Amino acid sequence: KAGVTQTPRYLIKTRGQQVTLSCSPISGHRSVSWYQQTPGQGLQFLFEYFSETQRNKGNFPGRFSGRQFSNSRSEMNVSTLELGDSALYLCASSLEGGNIQYFGAGTRLSVL
Amino acid sequence: QQQVKQSPQSLIVQKGGISIINCAYENTAFDYFPWYQQFPGKGPALLIAIRPDVSEKKEGRFTISFNKSAKQFSLHIMDSQPGDSATYFCAATIYGNNRLAFGKGNQVVVIP
Repeated sequence: KAGVTQTPRYLIKTRGQQVTLSCSPISGHRSVSWYQQTPGQGLQFLFEYFSETQRNKGNFPGRFSGRQFSNSRSEMNVSTLELGDSALYLCASSLEGGNIQYFGAGTRLSVL
Repeated sequence: QQQVKQSPQSLIVQKGGISIINCAYENTAFDYFPWYQQFPGKGPALLIAIRPDVSEKKEGRFTISFNKSAKQFSLHIMDSQPGDSATYFCAATIYGNNRLAFGKGNQVVVIP
């Protein structure tokens, strides 16, 4: 079974731009969660989607948004990029009711 | 605020030795405590997890000890091997909820 796939692996953007990251969960997994990983703050929860609905939301500004499609694939969008948004963005999928989250390798975003 | 605090930040262990990483949590509603292992360029992978109904759980060379009254839990890596060199994250959540609160991570280096 294929694991969680995140694309692209690397992105370079400039301040003020917007970016869209993509995540394909493990087949059969309907829950997709997003995390931001930085050296200073560690791993921080952004939001979770389940059956195309946002089920949980972390403490990030409204510039961070996401969505999930009917095939469970998910995208996250960051608008008006700031230097502090430079991070590794990780996506994780899990089965309904399951607590085991399977992470992708992440998208490394650099904001210049 | 950091809901899960992890210590030490880094650890150097001789091959065959024991690595011990400690975590403390704030939220008494948390009842699921996983440990994740992350290698460079990869996403975190679930190593072992515990719920508060037991004080210890062992899987191979990895053991979680849990102290509910102190709100602390720890990971012990027995007979540490160079292949165990990685970053280890403790986390906590409410069982069934995919919103994980992570510690800041601990880099373990096992020297031959």
